[in-house]
Amino acid sequence: AQSVTQLDSQVPVFEEAPVELRCNYSSSVSVYLFWYVQYPNQGLQLLLKYLSGSTLVKGINGFEAEFNKSQTSFHLRKPSVHISDTAEYFCAVSLESGGSNYKLTFGKGTLLTVNP
Amino acid sequence: NAGVTQTPKFQVLKTGQSMTLQCAQDMNHNSMYWYRQDPGMGLRLIYYSASEGTTDKGEVPNGYNVSRLNKREFSLRLESAAPSQTSVYFCASSVTLGNTIYFGEGSWLTVV
Repeated sequence: AQSVTQLDSQVPVFEEAPVELRCNYSSSVSVYLFWYVQYPNQGLQLLLKYLSGSTLVKGINGFEAEFNKSQTSFHLRKPSVHISDTAEYFCAVSLESGGSNYKLTFGKGTLLTVNP
Repeated sequence: NAGVTQTPKFQVLKTGQSMTLQCAQDMNHNSMYWYRQDPGMGLRLIYYSASEGTTDKGEVPNGYNVSRLNKREFSLRLESAAPSQTSVYFCASSVTLGNTIYFGEGSWLTVV
């Protein structure tokens, strides 16, 4: 079974500073990786995903993530954050094979707070 | 384009009462899901339906039942609500299993 660990439960940063939200996963087989964002009192929106190909994935709102197979990581980065980026971010993993054993497993979330 | 719509948005139940959360998607997706979100726990899968006519248990199915009424609709039922089921519930859908999942806005349920 796969698992996801988000290493920081809260990350406070100042506006225009860079940010990295860390995500590590565990799986014995190939995986798909996702980052979702949840704004207050809303559902989750997909930021970006890695299915195959280039290990550097670009998403919406200037976010990007890099898949590192050797370190089993999929860290999310943004070079300059805005107040509007304040939200909770979830890393998620599913098995590449999918099928009847499908399950999208979420990390426990990282609350990003951008301060002026 | 409404996407995934779930009702009600807010509900307060007494212990032992029953209720059904309704979910519908208009994206012609085959797969649908019910998750619950609790503070510090992330999202946990309750049940999912790979396609019309099939349902499967997720991580935390106890105390819940589901019905895939047709391709569009997937309901979640609490037969006898317990305080431990106080949570935010999200319905979601995807083209097929393993594809990008799209979420509804959430239903806040409090069991007293």
